[in-house]
Amino acid sequence: KAGVTQTPRYLIKTRGQQVTLSCSPISGHRSVSWYQQTPGQGLQFLFEYFSETQRNKGNFPGRFSGRQFSNSRSEMNVSTLELGDSALYLCASSLKMGGSLSSYNEQFFGPGTRLTVL
Amino acid sequence: GENVEQHPSTLSVQEGDSAVIKCTYSDSASNYFPWYKQELGKRPQLIIDIRSNVGEKKDQRIAVTLNKTAKHFSLHITETQPEDSAVYFCAAALNQAGTALIFGKGTTLSVSS
Repeated sequence: KAGVTQTPRYLIKTRGQQVTLSCSPISGHRSVSWYQQTPGQGLQFLFEYFSETQRNKGNFPGRFSGRQFSNSRSEMNVSTLELGDSALYLCASSLKMGGSLSSYNEQFFGPGTRLTVL
Repeated sequence: GENVEQHPSTLSVQEGDSAVIKCTYSDSASNYFPWYKQELGKRPQLIIDIRSNVGEKKDQRIAVTLNKTAKHFSLHITETQPEDSAVYFCAAALNQAGTALIFGKGTTLSVSS
């Protein structure tokens, strides 16, 4: 099976612009989560989508948004870019939602999109 | 909300020594605690996880322990090898499915031969 893929891999934008990042999950995976990785803050949870609906959201401003399509592919959008938005954006997919103490869903990460805001 | 603290931030050991990384979490409702390894320039990969109904789990040279009362969990790596050098992240799940993870800030482990 092909792994999680993300496009583009690298992106350079200027302050005030907007950007859209794309994530294609592993075939059959229906949950897609997004994380921001920076040297100072580490890995921070942005949001999670399942069945085209946002199920969980982290503590990021409304400039960060996302969506999921019927084929489970997901996009995230950042509007009015700030210098502090420079980061590696990782998405992760997992097989299913719902769990019990006996089964949780391993997340498989993509290679990330490196966003640089100038 | 959930907060995960991870210590130490850097750890240097000699090949063959043991390494221990500790994490504490704040939300007593969290039930799933995975550990990820991220090598330089690569994506994070799950190395071991533990659920709240289990106190300890082992997988070859790696073990994780969980103390729900104290809200802390630890990663133990025995007989360390140079290829264990990487950044290790602990996490606690916000949701039952384990698909919304709050991560610690990471521990950079260096194993010298």
